[in-house]
Amino acid sequence: EVQLVQSGAEMKKPGESLKISCKGSGYRSTSYWIAWVRQMPGKGLEWMGIIYPGDSDTRYSPSFQGQVTISADKFTNTAYLLWSSLRASDTAIYFCARSAAAGTYFFDYWGQGTQVTVSS
Amino acid sequence: DIQLTQSPSTLSAIVGDRVTITCRASQSISTWLAWYQQKPGKPPKLLIYKASGLESGVPSRFSGRGSGTDFTLTINSLQPDDFATYYCQQYDSFPGTFGQGTKLDIK
Repeated sequence: EVQLVQSGAEMKKPGESLKISCKGSGYRSTSYWIAWVRQMPGKGLEWMGIIYPGDSDTRYSPSFQGQVTISADKFTNTAYLLWSSLRASDTAIYFCARSAAAGTYFFDYWGQGTQVTVSS
Repeated sequence: DIQLTQSPSTLSAIVGDRVTITCRASQSISTWLAWYQQKPGKPPKLLIYKASGLESGVPSRFSGRGSGTDFTLTINSLQPDDFATYYCQQYDSFPGTFGQGTKLDIK
């Protein structure tokens, strides 16, 4: 059974760093892209970026380029989303999602979401 | 970036209705479009891929059509479980943008 399990909720202060994770199981990590998607409170879905764990090829949405770093460990089938300096505006739920097939970028399996709250 | 515009933003209906949601792309995306359903506090669920392909396990009352810039998601004979928010997503090019969402609620 394919599963994406994300790390737990985080409460941070502005300026702090944070790394959240998404661990996949039930499939081979080197065959699928993993994306990160933001959902701010009461808002829609925003495509942040995507990584191919097989070779760490990473693409960012222009809106998120330079704001976050996406990485992956193909040996543990885990993707990561990193902030070096959080802002209050980073408060959101962050989902990871797996591409449905190699070479395509829609998503058939999703993590449960990680709530990130940034507040002083 | 390719922009996706969904209409309406909110749709009120009753059980048994047939409803249609529209997604318009700012440029042609062929049939590289997916539809998702999201309920509060849950991740999105894939319904339709490649504009009209029904994801395994999704009821046949859901259907998708379109190509180029204009797409629709139709739900026949609405069921209580269908009241949710629906998003389209293009995957013709990076970044794979989402529409702003259509909230389907009970009239």
